[in-house]
Amino acid sequence: NAGVTQTPKFQVLKTGQSMTLQCAQDMNHEYMSWYRQDPGMGLRLIHYSVGAGITDQGEVPNGYNVSRSTTEDFPLRLLSAAPSQTSVYFCASSRHTSGRNNEQFFGPGTRLTVL
Amino acid sequence: GNSVTQMEGPVTLSEEAFLTINCTYTATGYPSLFWYVQYPGEGLQLLLKATKADDKGSNKGFEATYRKETTSFHLEKGSVQVSDSAVYFCALVPAPNAGGTSYGKLTFGQGTILTVHP
Repeated sequence: NAGVTQTPKFQVLKTGQSMTLQCAQDMNHEYMSWYRQDPGMGLRLIHYSVGAGITDQGEVPNGYNVSRSTTEDFPLRLLSAAPSQTSVYFCASSRHTSGRNNEQFFGPGTRLTVL
Repeated sequence: GNSVTQMEGPVTLSEEAFLTINCTYTATGYPSLFWYVQYPGEGLQLLLKATKADDKGSNKGFEATYRKETTSFHLEKGSVQVSDSAVYFCALVPAPNAGGTSYGKLTFGQGTILTVHP
């Protein structure tokens, strides 16, 4: 099992550019999510999905789009990058349960800089 | 809303010292509580968890006890090693009957950087 994989590992964008952060998992998990990590703020939920074709917003969704066409993949799209989106992005997955015993498995992260 | 507050860092210790990282939470009912650890250059991984009051989670010499009366989940280790140097995050998942669906929505504290010197 590769677990949760993310690409790219590092990315530098100019303001206004678009890009897609890739996330894939091979554990047949139904629940997938995207977080951003900023100094002193912990991780904040951007978007999440409880299964293929179903997505919803988290705490900080503005400026990001997601889709979930397969169980395995959950890409995060930045349509017009802004310097405020400079951050480290983590994708996570877990079994779709009630959540009380959920262990979330995290990818290695993508470090994004927007100039 | 739900929130998690961790002690301010960074924390710097010598090898074999005792570690405590404080964590308190605000949530309705009985959330599940977690400690995640992030080693340099890596993603987060689950360290331990507790799902009901007075539960004690433990792993790799680390322990934390779910204290409902003080809404706390402090992380402790009796003798730290250099390899424990990492960022530690306290987190919660809301109780299922707390309104809406939890679907594993983790709420994180801000993280505590731990550095252990030889």
